[in-house]
Amino acid sequence: QSALTQPASVSGSPGQSITISCSGTSSGVATSSLVSWYQQHPGKAPKLLIFEVNKRPSGVSNRFSGSKSGDTASLTISGLQTEDEADYFCCSYARTSTLLFGGGSRLTVL
Amino acid sequence: EEQVVESGGGLVQPGGSLRLSCAASGFTFSNFAMTWVRQAPGKGLEWVSAISGSGSSTYYAGSLKGRFTMSRDNSKNTLYLQMNSLRVEDAAVYYCAKNIGGHFFYYMDVWGTGTTVTVS
Repeated sequence: QSALTQPASVSGSPGQSITISCSGTSSGVATSSLVSWYQQHPGKAPKLLIFEVNKRPSGVSNRFSGSKSGDTASLTISGLQTEDEADYFCCSYARTSTLLFGGGSRLTVL
Repeated sequence: EEQVVESGGGLVQPGGSLRLSCAASGFTFSNFAMTWVRQAPGKGLEWVSAISGSGSSTYYAGSLKGRFTMSRDNSKNTLYLQMNSLRVEDAAVYYCAKNIGGHFFYYMDVWGTGTTVTVS
């Protein structure tokens, strides 16, 4: 089963906003609400940023927001900071009682 | 503080077996589904398997079914991943993660630092 499709890289300057897309058209994603996003700094464990498309766990900055339109989910990071430089992965429940991750997007803060 | 700590990784020959463990603390272990996720060197995250809080239900990535078995011992607050018939492509950092309560195994909110499996 194919992974969800994300851009390999995105970039932005401090203070700007960026959006990372996650397309699941061909992956058999079962429903529209079971999408999450994870942040991973090099050599570190992933961290949950967004769940259920647009909910933030306690302690996650409100600079991170999620949305979904059709078969594409998006993560928006506003007010970019240097510490946001990391890899970002989307994840979705699939029809076969499994989870699928996107290929990951590397964010560079210029 | 909620915490999970993996162990058991190491070097194994192709065709060999390995059992990973994950010790949980800081939360009522039996109340939460748990998940294994792996990451090959320089690659993205790959979901491996999940298990319900009671241990009665398990779910696996299609490519792994039959070779990997996930289990848990709620009396020891410990999760396991038995990996058999290991292949070179199974080499990865294996992460144990706690799932958010009330959301089946959809979301992982507490992650360990991972344990490295090398198949060579």
